[in-house]
Amino acid sequence: EAGVAQSPRYKIIEKRQSVAFWCNPISGHATLYWYQQILGQGPKLLIQFQNNGVVDDSQLPKDRFSAERLKGVDSTLKIQPAKLEDSAVYLCASSEQGFDNSPLHFGNGTRLTVT
Amino acid sequence: DAKTTQPPSMDCAEGRAANLPCNHSTISGNEYVYWYRQIHSQGPQYIIHGLKNNETNEMASLIITEDRKSSTLILPHATLRDTAVYYCIVRVAFGNQFYFGTGTSLTVIP
Repeated sequence: EAGVAQSPRYKIIEKRQSVAFWCNPISGHATLYWYQQILGQGPKLLIQFQNNGVVDDSQLPKDRFSAERLKGVDSTLKIQPAKLEDSAVYLCASSEQGFDNSPLHFGNGTRLTVT
Repeated sequence: DAKTTQPPSMDCAEGRAANLPCNHSTISGNEYVYWYRQIHSQGPQYIIHGLKNNETNEMASLIITEDRKSSTLILPHATLRDTAVYYCIVRVAFGNQFYFGTGTSLTVIP
Protein backbone atom coordinates (compact mmCIF):
# COMPACT_ATOMS: atom_id res chain seq x y z
CA GLU A 1 0.00 0.00 0.00
CA ALA A 2 1.43 3.35 -1.03
CA GLY A 3 1.72 5.85 1.78
CA VAL A 4 0.78 9.50 1.98
CA ALA A 5 2.72 11.46 -0.63
CA GLN A 6 3.78 15.05 -0.12
CA SER A 7 5.69 17.51 -2.26
CA PRO A 8 7.92 19.36 -2.35
CA ARG A 9 10.15 17.88 0.33
CA TYR A 10 11.86 21.19 1.02
CA LYS A 11 11.03 24.80 0.20
CA ILE A 12 12.87 28.03 0.92
CA ILE A 13 11.14 31.36 0.32
CA GLU A 14 11.46 34.95 1.41
CA LYS A 15 8.94 36.53 3.74
CA ARG A 16 5.88 37.95 2.03
CA GLN A 17 6.16 35.41 -0.80
CA SER A 18 3.57 32.73 -1.46
CA VAL A 19 4.00 28.98 -1.24
CA ALA A 20 1.87 25.90 -1.83
CA PHE A 21 2.18 22.34 -0.63
CA TRP A 22 0.59 19.28 -2.17
CA CYS A 23 -0.66 16.08 -0.56
CA ASN A 24 -1.94 12.83 -2.02
CA PRO A 25 -3.51 10.64 0.67
CA ILE A 26 -3.67 6.86 0.81
CA SER A 27 -6.12 5.58 -1.79
CA GLY A 28 -9.63 5.31 -0.42
CA HIS A 29 -8.99 7.41 2.67
CA ALA A 30 -11.85 9.84 3.15
CA THR A 31 -10.29 12.03 5.81
CA LEU A 32 -7.29 14.28 5.27
CA TYR A 33 -5.44 16.41 7.80
CA TRP A 34 -2.83 19.16 7.59
CA TYR A 35 -0.53 19.70 10.55
CA GLN A 36 2.17 22.28 11.25
CA GLN A 37 5.20 21.16 13.25
CA ILE A 38 7.55 23.83 14.54
CA LEU A 39 11.01 22.64 15.57
CA GLY A 40 10.97 21.02 19.00
CA GLN A 41 7.18 20.87 19.23
CA GLY A 42 4.53 18.29 18.50
CA PRO A 43 2.43 18.58 15.35
CA LYS A 44 -0.41 21.12 15.53
CA LEU A 45 -3.62 20.46 13.62
CA LEU A 46 -4.41 23.15 11.05
CA ILE A 47 -7.35 21.72 9.13
CA GLN A 48 -9.27 18.49 8.65
CA PHE A 49 -11.27 17.46 5.58
CA GLN A 50 -13.88 14.74 5.32
CA ASN A 51 -14.03 13.98 1.59
CA ASN A 52 -14.09 17.48 0.10
CA GLY A 53 -15.73 19.22 3.06
CA VAL A 54 -13.99 21.00 5.94
CA VAL A 55 -14.63 19.37 9.33
CA ASP A 56 -12.34 21.48 11.50
CA ASP A 57 -10.32 24.58 10.60
CA SER A 58 -10.45 26.28 13.96
CA GLN A 59 -6.66 26.53 14.23
CA LEU A 60 -5.98 27.62 10.66
CA PRO A 61 -4.75 31.24 10.43
CA LYS A 62 -7.25 32.14 7.77
CA ASP A 63 -5.80 35.56 7.04
CA ARG A 64 -2.83 33.91 5.32
CA PHE A 65 -3.44 30.16 5.14
CA SER A 66 -5.88 28.41 2.85
CA ALA A 67 -6.47 24.79 1.95
CA GLU A 68 -8.64 22.93 -0.49
CA ARG A 69 -9.53 19.39 -1.42
CA LEU A 70 -11.70 19.95 -4.46
CA LYS A 71 -12.33 16.38 -5.63
CA GLY A 72 -12.05 14.72 -2.25
CA VAL A 73 -8.65 13.22 -3.01
CA ASP A 74 -5.57 15.45 -3.36
CA SER A 75 -5.19 18.55 -1.26
CA THR A 76 -3.17 21.75 -1.39
CA LEU A 77 -2.21 24.04 1.47
CA LYS A 78 -1.24 27.60 0.62
CA ILE A 79 0.41 30.38 2.58
CA GLN A 80 0.12 33.93 1.28
CA PRO A 81 2.00 35.98 2.35
CA ALA A 82 4.49 33.97 4.37
CA LYS A 83 5.97 35.20 7.64
CA LEU A 84 9.18 34.17 9.36
CA GLU A 85 7.19 32.30 12.02
CA ASP A 86 5.71 30.03 9.35
CA SER A 87 9.03 28.19 9.14
CA ALA A 88 8.06 24.65 10.05
CA VAL A 89 7.40 21.18 8.69
CA TYR A 90 3.94 20.83 7.15
CA LEU A 91 2.60 17.33 7.55
CA CYS A 92 -0.30 15.74 5.74
CA ALA A 93 -2.12 12.73 7.16
CA SER A 94 -5.06 10.60 6.10
CA SER A 95 -7.37 8.05 7.68
CA GLU A 96 -10.07 5.78 6.37
CA GLN A 97 -13.03 7.71 7.74
CA GLY A 98 -11.91 9.96 10.56
CA PHE A 99 -14.81 9.06 12.78
CA ASP A 100 -14.16 5.36 13.16
CA ASN A 101 -11.03 5.31 15.34
CA SER A 102 -8.86 4.21 12.42
CA PRO A 103 -5.33 5.55 12.89
CA LEU A 104 -3.89 8.50 11.01
CA HIS A 105 -1.14 7.79 8.49
CA PHE A 106 1.36 10.59 7.92
CA GLY A 107 3.52 11.66 5.03
CA ASN A 108 7.10 12.78 5.59
CA GLY A 109 6.18 16.43 5.31
CA THR A 110 7.40 19.56 3.56
CA ARG A 111 10.06 21.53 5.40
CA LEU A 112 9.45 25.25 4.83
CA THR A 113 12.10 27.86 5.60
CA VAL A 114 11.06 31.51 5.41
CA THR A 115 13.97 33.97 5.28
CA ASP B 1 -5.31 20.91 23.30
CA ALA B 2 -3.13 18.02 24.43
CA LYS B 3 -4.68 16.10 27.30
CA THR B 4 -1.64 14.00 28.14
CA THR B 5 1.55 14.39 30.18
CA GLN B 6 4.77 12.60 29.27
CA PRO B 7 8.34 12.84 30.55
CA PRO B 8 10.41 14.91 28.13
CA SER B 9 13.18 12.35 27.75
CA MET B 10 14.22 8.81 28.62
CA ASP B 11 17.15 6.48 27.99
CA CYS B 12 17.05 2.73 27.49
CA ALA B 13 19.80 0.17 26.99
CA GLU B 14 19.74 -1.71 23.71
CA GLY B 15 18.03 -5.08 24.06
CA ARG B 16 16.15 -4.10 27.19
CA ALA B 17 12.48 -3.25 27.44
CA ALA B 18 11.60 0.43 27.05
CA ASN B 19 8.64 1.49 29.19
CA LEU B 20 7.22 4.87 28.23
CA PRO B 21 4.63 6.32 30.63
CA CYS B 22 1.77 8.64 29.84
CA ASN B 23 -0.61 10.39 32.20
CA HIS B 24 -4.14 11.15 30.99
CA SER B 25 -5.97 11.74 34.24
CA THR B 26 -8.89 13.61 32.63
CA ILE B 27 -9.65 10.92 30.07
CA SER B 28 -13.33 10.23 29.43
CA GLY B 29 -14.97 6.86 29.07
CA ASN B 30 -15.22 7.09 25.30
CA GLU B 31 -11.70 8.32 24.63
CA TYR B 32 -9.00 6.14 23.12
CA VAL B 33 -5.27 6.27 23.82
CA TYR B 34 -3.03 6.31 20.74
CA TRP B 35 0.73 6.08 20.50
CA TYR B 36 2.84 7.39 17.66
CA ARG B 37 6.56 7.84 17.21
CA GLN B 38 8.56 10.22 15.05
CA ILE B 39 12.04 9.57 13.84
CA HIS B 40 14.04 12.60 12.75
CA SER B 41 12.98 14.02 9.37
CA GLN B 42 10.05 11.64 9.05
CA GLY B 43 6.34 11.94 9.70
CA PRO B 44 4.79 10.40 12.83
CA GLN B 45 4.36 6.64 12.62
CA TYR B 46 1.37 4.87 14.15
CA ILE B 47 2.27 2.29 16.81
CA ILE B 48 -0.83 1.14 18.69
CA HIS B 49 -4.09 2.29 20.28
CA GLY B 50 -6.54 1.06 22.88
CA LEU B 51 -9.61 1.92 24.92
CA LYS B 52 -9.48 -0.02 28.18
CA ASN B 53 -7.96 -3.41 27.50
CA ASN B 54 -4.27 -4.02 27.09
CA GLU B 55 -3.21 -4.31 23.47
CA THR B 56 -0.26 -5.92 21.72
CA ASN B 57 0.93 -5.90 18.14
CA GLU B 58 4.16 -6.61 16.30
CA MET B 59 5.66 -3.31 17.37
CA ALA B 60 4.70 -2.84 21.01
CA SER B 61 2.36 -3.47 23.91
CA LEU B 62 0.01 -0.93 25.46
CA ILE B 63 -0.87 -1.28 29.12
CA ILE B 64 -3.77 0.88 30.35
CA THR B 65 -4.44 1.11 34.07
CA GLU B 66 -7.80 0.00 35.38
CA ASP B 67 -8.88 3.56 36.12
CA ARG B 68 -7.60 4.52 32.63
CA LYS B 69 -5.81 7.57 34.02
CA SER B 70 -2.43 6.44 32.76
CA SER B 71 -0.87 4.06 30.29
CA THR B 72 2.51 2.62 29.39
CA LEU B 73 3.90 1.81 25.99
CA ILE B 74 6.31 -1.11 26.10
CA LEU B 75 8.91 -1.81 23.43
CA PRO B 76 9.98 -5.32 24.50
CA HIS B 77 13.50 -5.35 23.08
CA ALA B 78 14.64 -1.85 22.20
CA THR B 79 17.00 -1.39 19.27
CA LEU B 80 18.94 1.66 18.14
CA ARG B 81 16.28 2.21 15.47
CA ASP B 82 13.72 2.79 18.21
CA THR B 83 15.41 6.10 19.08
CA ALA B 84 12.63 8.61 18.39
CA VAL B 85 10.10 10.97 19.94
CA TYR B 86 7.07 9.05 21.23
CA TYR B 87 3.69 10.75 21.44
CA CYS B 88 0.76 9.66 23.57
CA ILE B 89 -2.57 11.04 22.31
CA VAL B 90 -6.09 10.88 23.69
CA ARG B 91 -8.82 10.86 21.07
CA VAL B 92 -12.55 11.04 21.46
CA ALA B 93 -14.18 7.93 20.02
CA PHE B 94 -15.60 8.73 16.60
CA GLY B 95 -14.32 12.26 17.06
CA ASN B 96 -12.01 14.34 14.97
CA GLN B 97 -9.82 15.88 17.65
CA PHE B 98 -6.34 14.40 17.31
CA TYR B 99 -3.93 16.61 19.20
CA PHE B 100 -0.25 15.96 19.88
CA GLY B 101 1.65 17.03 22.98
CA THR B 102 5.42 17.43 23.15
CA GLY B 103 6.15 13.72 23.56
CA THR B 104 9.01 11.75 25.10
CA SER B 105 12.38 11.67 23.39
CA LEU B 106 13.64 8.09 23.78
CA THR B 107 17.33 7.39 23.27
CA VAL B 108 18.41 3.77 22.98
CA ILE B 109 21.97 3.40 24.13
CA PRO B 110 24.29 0.72 22.70
